[in-house]
Amino acid sequence: DAMVIQNPRYQVTQFGKPVTLSCSQTLNHNVMYWYQQKSSQAPKLLFHYYDKDFNNEADTPDNFQSRRPNTSFCFLDIRSPGLGDAAMYLCATSSRRTGNQPQHFGDGTRLSIL
Amino acid sequence: KQEVTQIPAALSVPEGENLVLNCSFTDSAIYNLQWFRQDPGKGLTSLLLIQSSQREQTSGRLNASLDKSSGRSTLYIAASQPGDSATYLCAVVITGGGNKLTFGTGTQLKVEL
Repeated sequence: DAMVIQNPRYQVTQFGKPVTLSCSQTLNHNVMYWYQQKSSQAPKLLFHYYDKDFNNEADTPDNFQSRRPNTSFCFLDIRSPGLGDAAMYLCATSSRRTGNQPQHFGDGTRLSIL
Repeated sequence: KQEVTQIPAALSVPEGENLVLNCSFTDSAIYNLQWFRQDPGKGLTSLLLIQSSQREQTSGRLNASLDKSSGRSTLYIAASQPGDSATYLCAVVITGGGNKLTFGTGTQLKVEL
């Protein structure tokens, strides 16, 4: 049973057209993360939520925003996608923010920019 | 700044071979280290998590070791199978860094019949 679900699996958008990616979880975890993974590169953390507390990484572009309306859902909004934003976007959860908790990943959304 | 390196970047072995994947990290002040598997076009599946106080973890045909002082971890896969073909990533959580993962770029493994 899928525990971290990302929709859609594939998303195509036009240059500059806002796009939203969705993540939901059935684990009731407090922490949700968004990673960006470009081709043949390591996943890179964009931001995370601890409950409703939003934590942005210092080098995450302003173009990327996130919303977490409740425990189960988290959204990644890209306000004006550029060609360089084409990537796999991975959502993950963990029960706590302490380092002894494993992160559970979804299958990702692959974003293409036309 | 923590940097994680995985060597080799790609590896091809015949079915049945035992193999070792390597991971090194520059800052030994880690909380734990995780090994993940990533199939093409998919997300990450957690394989093993080693706490900083542990030396190794085992799950089935997989064994991961950790030498924190030298900044190294290895993932040993016994009796490899074609179904093991995937990219294997290691990631570390640094002490005092919350639960943020710093990933290596992975080793792409192909197990051939």
